[in-house]
Amino acid sequence: DTGVSQNPRHKITKRGQNVTFRCDPISEHNRLYWYRQTLGQGPEFLTYFQNEAQLEKSRLLSDRFSAERPKGSFSTLEIQRTEQGDSAMYLCASSFDTLANYGYTFGSGTRLTVV
Amino acid sequence: AQKVTQAQTEISVVEKEDVTLDCVYETRDTTYYLFWYKQPPSGELVFLIRRNSFDEQNEISGRYSWNFQKSTSSFNFTITASQVVDSAVYFCALSGGGYNKLIFGAGTRLAVHP
Repeated sequence: DTGVSQNPRHKITKRGQNVTFRCDPISEHNRLYWYRQTLGQGPEFLTYFQNEAQLEKSRLLSDRFSAERPKGSFSTLEIQRTEQGDSAMYLCASSFDTLANYGYTFGSGTRLTVV
Repeated sequence: AQKVTQAQTEISVVEKEDVTLDCVYETRDTTYYLFWYKQPPSGELVFLIRRNSFDEQNEISGRYSWNFQKSTSSFNFTITASQVVDSAVYFCALSGGGYNKLIFGAGTRLAVHP
C-alpha cells in the first residue's frame, strides 16, 4: 500500500451530467477527507469521515454533492447535475485518528472539467 | 475564524538563491498545528513539516528551514540554495478546527530558473 489512490485522474463531462470519483486511502487510516481545489487557490475542506461515519460537511458541499464511505475503506464523491463551477481538482486525504495532526497523506487528485 | 494568508502569489529566483515564503495565520485556538505542503506540477500535495503551537523552536531539514513566531502569528519557510526541482506551489495550512481539517492559504508559486 503505497499511498492514497484516486480515480479517475481526469474527468471531462458535459454540464448536467453526474460524475463519481473514488478514493482508496492508506489501508490502516481510519480518517478520510475530501478537499476541492480551484485554479490558483488552496484546497478547501469539503467533508470528513471517521471510519464509515460522515462527521462533518462544509457549506461548500451543496445538495448536488454526496459522499460515502460504506465500509470504512474506500470512499466515493458524487456530483449530480454538474455545473461549470464544479470544475476543479478534487483531492482525497487520509490519516490515523490519533495522528491526524501529524499531517495527512494526500492523493494525486481527480481533475474535473465541466464543459 | 481561522485564516491563513500567503501574501506572495509568485516568486521567481535564479538557482542557488535563498528564498523565503511567508505565512501569516489567524486562530482563536490555543492549541493548533501549522503545516507546509509542496504541490509539484503532478498535483499531489507533499507534506513538508508540521509544527504545534507549543513548539516555537525553529527547524532545519537540509536546505529547508522554518521560522515559527507566535508573537507575529507567522510560520515562514526558507529554502537555501534553491534548485530547479524546488519549483512548485507551496501551501501553508492551519489545523485546529475540530476533526483536524486543514485551512490552507492560497499558495505561493515558486519558479527557480537555471
